[in-house]
Amino acid sequence: EPEVTQTPSHQVTQMGQEVILRCVPISNHLYFYWYRQILGQKVEFLVSFYNNEISEKSEIFDDQFSVERPDGSNFTLKIRSTKLEDSAMYFCASSVGQKDSPLHFGNGTRLTVT
Amino acid sequence: GNSVTQMEGPVTLSEEAFLTINCTYTATGYPSLFWYVQYPGEGLQLLLKATKADDKGSNKGFEATYRKETTSFHLEKGSVQVSDSAVYFCALDNQFYFGTGTSLTVIP
Repeated sequence: EPEVTQTPSHQVTQMGQEVILRCVPISNHLYFYWYRQILGQKVEFLVSFYNNEISEKSEIFDDQFSVERPDGSNFTLKIRSTKLEDSAMYFCASSVGQKDSPLHFGNGTRLTVT
Repeated sequence: GNSVTQMEGPVTLSEEAFLTINCTYTATGYPSLFWYVQYPGEGLQLLLKATKADDKGSNKGFEATYRKETTSFHLEKGSVQVSDSAVYFCALDNQFYFGTGTSLTVIP
């Protein structure tokens, strides 16, 4: 069964550095998402992406965040200048459609900012 | 605004016990409701869903009924197994709103 893959599984970075988290969604899916989960807290929506542009974003997704689908297969989340509070598990997801379509999640990237 | 409130965990049960994990929601209109499960070391995966009032979603012995009058979507299973140990998330329409997750541990 096709799956969403995320790399790396764990990323450690110093405060102020840029990080890029990578995801390969399922190939026939059209909607792509990033979520984050701070340890012990809820899964929070960051951004959704459709037709090569952001379709929705949350308040968390401020100017330090950006997303890109550079080559038709990868879907990346960039954090420009990381802060300690960006430490979290970041999940990529994709779906065939919106609203009632189930999300298919990757296994996540654990980001640790020191 | 839209939100989901989920039962606090962790929950520990013996094998074959009955499970209920409560989920209530606040939303405008008629949202779809979902339960996702996260097994250790894996991403979330859809467990079941319901798209309108009184619908019952079911999968792998789990059930949840969409109750509009009580704005609830409680997850139930009649007899849990050790393999059901995971974190369970309730989610709301468009999947932009997730609960905090309830960790379930089933002991033999």
